[in-house]
Amino acid sequence: SAVISQKPSRDICQRGTSLTIQCQVDSQVTMMFWYRQQPGQSLTLIATANQGSEATYESGFVIDKFPISRPNLTFSTLTVSNMSPEDSSIYLCSVDGTDTTDTQYFGPGTRLTVL
Amino acid sequence: GQQVMQIPQYQHVQEGEDFTTYCNSSTTLSNIQWYKQRPGGHPVFLIQLVKSGEVKKQKRLTFQFGEAKKNSSLHITATQTTDVGTYFCAGQGYQKVTFGIGTKLQVIP
Repeated sequence: SAVISQKPSRDICQRGTSLTIQCQVDSQVTMMFWYRQQPGQSLTLIATANQGSEATYESGFVIDKFPISRPNLTFSTLTVSNMSPEDSSIYLCSVDGTDTTDTQYFGPGTRLTVL
Repeated sequence: GQQVMQIPQYQHVQEGEDFTTYCNSSTTLSNIQWYKQRPGGHPVFLIQLVKSGEVKKQKRLTFQFGEAKKNSSLHITATQTTDVGTYFCAGQGYQKVTFGIGTKLQVIP
């Protein structure tokens, strides 16, 4: 299994500012994923972050808006830039399990409210 | 692109009644996963189905993967108040996982 922590757990931000979310895993993982879950909605993949290479963004998400860092195999950050109220969501990081069951583990999420 | 439809979106049941949620993918999947998200919590992995026609059970939960590997279901027998939450399916297609919209289950005591 993998234990994932995220910081901050929640934040309230002003329009136009930026917030960096941190994700820490208790074991080394190759791929880390960032998801967004808007209120009452499902999870949408923002990007996949591999250590040592540029993140791969899904359709509708761009690096200028959601820059990602992946400095090592246990840590990643997602920045939500130039925020607007439409960015109010829960942001979750996720990793693939390292055991044979190929599970996907999620962090506790960061609840972001943009005023 | 790959789409995963999930129904129903909401379900209210009396405690003790059964509950089923269904997922259908627009494309053939390599596997499908199921997650449960409690109110205010994050998704927690329940199970993964890989083989065509596979059926797996976890106590009162029964998971099925269709023969064509495009649909799946989760059935809960005799629901309990602890079953409350949103159940998501997630289909693994080519290079990406797509989540269904989720079924929010409410159990009335």
